Amino acid sequence: DGGITQSPKYLFRKEGQNVTLSCEQNLNHDAMYWYRQDPGQGLRLIYYSQIVNDFQKGDIAEGYSVSREKKESFPLTVTSAQKNPTAFYLCASSIYKNTEAFFGQGTRLTVV
Amino acid sequence: GEDVEQSLFLSVREGDSSVINCTYTDSSSTYLYWYKQEPGAGLQLLTYIFSNMDMKQDQRLTVLLNKKDKHLSLRIADTQTGDSAIYFCAESGSAAGNNRKLIWGLGTSLAVNP
Repeated sequence: DGGITQSPKYLFRKEGQNVTLSCEQNLNHDAMYWYRQDPGQGLRLIYYSQIVNDFQKGDIAEGYSVSREKKESFPLTVTSAQKNPTAFYLCASSIYKNTEAFFGQGTRLTVV
Repeated sequence: GEDVEQSLFLSVREGDSSVINCTYTDSSSTYLYWYKQEPGAGLQLLTYIFSNMDMKQDQRLTVLLNKKDKHLSLRIADTQTGDSAIYFCAESGSAAGNNRKLIWGLGTSLAVNP
């Protein structure tokens, strides 16, 4: 079955530690996206990538980093520089230059 | 700048129709989308409409587009408890080429009461 998989579903980290969230897709989509969701704030774009080895900052990139070494994979690292990392993180993908996005099931990150 | 607005909450009785409204600012958007998010889950694409259409119907869902007023609505007929979720409106934005990305509303939380 084609789809987009995020892992893990729940993640706990201590303050000051970097943490990497996984996102893998087998839809052969060129574009991939990371969003952050907080209650009452909708979706905010962190980073996006339209093609392998290239990515752009979204609206709230500070404290995050990404890589796009393979078409299928777009991992997100939440660094210790992110002041308020506890949130629900959503990964999405779409066909190149087509904005219809398919979403993973999300990772809920809690930093204590 | 580009913006999408939705009312935050809607409460209906089971069996009634629900109408979720959305306004957007970018008149050059090609597509407008409705997504559904159930608690603790990702977003699921429900339906979309091309900007040159006025209406699209898909089973219990009807999308109406008023381009003049930049107003989009989603009607859910015979609303069921399983329809309780957050509904997001999104537009495709007008940025050209590689920078085109979705512009999101904040979501409307639909509560269906038995």
